[in-house]
Amino acid sequence: LAKTTQPISMDSYEGQEVNITCSHNNIATNDYITWYQQFPSQGPRFIIQGYKTKVTNEVASLFIPADRKSSTLSLPRVSLSDTAVYYCLVGLMSTGFQKLVFGTGTRLLVSP
Amino acid sequence: GAVVSQHPSWVICKSGTSVKIECRSLDFQATTMFWYRQFPKQSLMLMATSNEGSKATYEQGVEKDKFLINHASLTLSTLTVTSAHPEDSSFYICSAIPRVNTEAFFGQGTRLTVV
Repeated sequence: LAKTTQPISMDSYEGQEVNITCSHNNIATNDYITWYQQFPSQGPRFIIQGYKTKVTNEVASLFIPADRKSSTLSLPRVSLSDTAVYYCLVGLMSTGFQKLVFGTGTRLLVSP
Repeated sequence: GAVVSQHPSWVICKSGTSVKIECRSLDFQATTMFWYRQFPKQSLMLMATSNEGSKATYEQGVEKDKFLINHASLTLSTLTVTSAHPEDSSFYICSAIPRVNTEAFFGQGTRLTVV
């Protein structure tokens, strides 16, 4: 499984755009990239998933360069409620069994 | 989205007793479920992978005789912490994947406190 590296923490203010980058230099050809959000004392919640280029949904965008060795989660206009830990995971999602291994995650603090 | 429910949400038990935690997929069938443990301010640590109808696969360093996992049906997996000790106090989280090529859904977690 590809190991991921993320910044330990980030600070932002309400209304700003936040970009969290994840490095996954050993990503395999069939690996997908998935981001989760976790609030204290809750299970992780799926944010977005992609394989290449750009993916956008109602809460975030995911940018993946051509070499796929990194990815960037973009949160537009964050609010206080976006304060959470964000995890980047890579792994094979296209066939059956998938073991999800979490890295350190990025602790995002949004201030007024 | 798919819902995964854990029960109980929190439990306090005495040292030496056993505690069972249930993980249910409410609106889908999950052939594979995962169990994680999370200590304060730390990331989720994968404990084991639970496959319906077969023995669980434990990660290195996780005692299979202490953390008993049973996946008796496509919608239920249980984790039993046997002879619990204070160092087993942690946040336990399960997850399940509805089908291939999709994201995993996580339960809300169970806070175990051993006194």
